[in-house]
Amino acid sequence: AQTVTQSQPEMSVQEAETVTLSCTYDTSENNYYLFWYKQPPSRQMILVIRQEAYKQQNATENRFSVNFQKAAKSFSLKISDSQLGDTAMYFCAYSGGSNYKLTFGKGTLLTVNP
Amino acid sequence: DSGVTQTPKHLITATGQRVTLRCSPRSGDLSVYWYQQSLDQGLQFLIQYYNGEERAKGNILERFSAQQFPDLHSELNLSSLELGDSALYFCASSVYSASGEQFFGPGTRLTVL
Repeated sequence: AQTVTQSQPEMSVQEAETVTLSCTYDTSENNYYLFWYKQPPSRQMILVIRQEAYKQQNATENRFSVNFQKAAKSFSLKISDSQLGDTAMYFCAYSGGSNYKLTFGKGTLLTVNP
Repeated sequence: DSGVTQTPKHLITATGQRVTLRCSPRSGDLSVYWYQQSLDQGLQFLIQYYNGEERAKGNILERFSAQQFPDLHSELNLSSLELGDSALYFCASSVYSASGEQFFGPGTRLTVL
């Protein structure tokens, strides 16, 4: 079974600084997707960034980028120029196999301090 | 706004009761997923439908059932409710059955008293 591990339950960063959230996963599949979802206090699940396993290039979306290390099964999220609105729970998620359901990590609560 | 709608937003009910949660996927999306988010279990996949057919089951209790209708909206039925069923229930949709990207609705907060 696929598993996703986020080893940092909580992190904090100063506004305008850079922070990296860690995620590791376990799978025997060769084709899969990895995601970072953001859940602010409103509880809405918002897709931040997506990575396809067959693509070697790391995905980037504005201030958000990932470091995808397929051999190490590692998928970290870097947030540059952190903003107060980035304060949220961040979930790493895996999708693959026969039905592409999402398997989530336990989340990292990120607080951006002014 | 993801384009996925869920009703109701909040639901308060008593143990032993039955409730129905409703989800309308994004226009054009054929696949619907249901997830449960609770403090102790985190985010868990419950069940998936694709174009009216059940495609996958996760950690869904026998007291729970779901269906997807011809207009592609989906309903999650929870019966014989227990205190432990209190959670946030999300619906997500995607275009294909095997598609990476899923878009989430705002969720239904269920409180069982």
